[in-house]
Amino acid sequence: DQQVKQNSPSLSVQEGRISILNCDYTNSMFDYFLWYKKYPAEGPTFLISISSIKDKNEDGRFTVFLNKSAKHLSLHIVPSQPGDSAVYFCAAQSGYALNFGKGTSLLVTP
Amino acid sequence: DAGVIQSPRHEVTEMGQEVTLRCKPISGHNSLFWYRQTMMRGLELLIYFNNNVPIDDSGMPEDRFSAKMPNASFSTLKIQPSEPRDSAVYFCASSGQTYTEAFFGQGTRLTVV
Repeated sequence: DQQVKQNSPSLSVQEGRISILNCDYTNSMFDYFLWYKKYPAEGPTFLISISSIKDKNEDGRFTVFLNKSAKHLSLHIVPSQPGDSAVYFCAAQSGYALNFGKGTSLLVTP
Repeated sequence: DAGVIQSPRHEVTEMGQEVTLRCKPISGHNSLFWYRQTMMRGLELLIYFNNNVPIDDSGMPEDRFSAKMPNASFSTLKIQPSEPRDSAVYFCASSGQTYTEAFFGQGTRLTVV
């Protein structure tokens, strides 16, 4: 049973605009959340994380928001750049295990 | 640091053959994970090692799958006998502490024909 869901398989955004990727989870025991970025033929690479005691974490163009009551998190990329085109995975952690969503493929067009 | 190193990058084998995937984690990391990525199921955890000891193998799909970590710098995932439904990308990842990011290798794309 998928405990982490990314309901949008794909997203297309124009360069310079904001990209918003969404993620929902079902397990209230998750207390650490991460976003990974994946290019074709490469492994996922860590992008940004947030602890459940926070509701926002920012790193340059990337901001992750956490709404614990709604069991929802989102990744905002602003401004979006063509090099951001990749598959983005949301992951939730309780203890050692990372539970991944199925990913959202982001395409940033010039 | 070279990161997590997996070999081979690609493997094509015939159904029924034994397949061995290899992983070298980042030096100093004490946690190692094997993941499998498929279109249907996404990224799923197969097995987790901590300090070379298998802690959770509940994700290993069948007895045909086995994993070992004989030392801190090497792990293998073996499939014997392999079946076409095992075709997937297999990732190895390592991390130094809980609640820090895991670093992934480039993966092994396995095709069983």
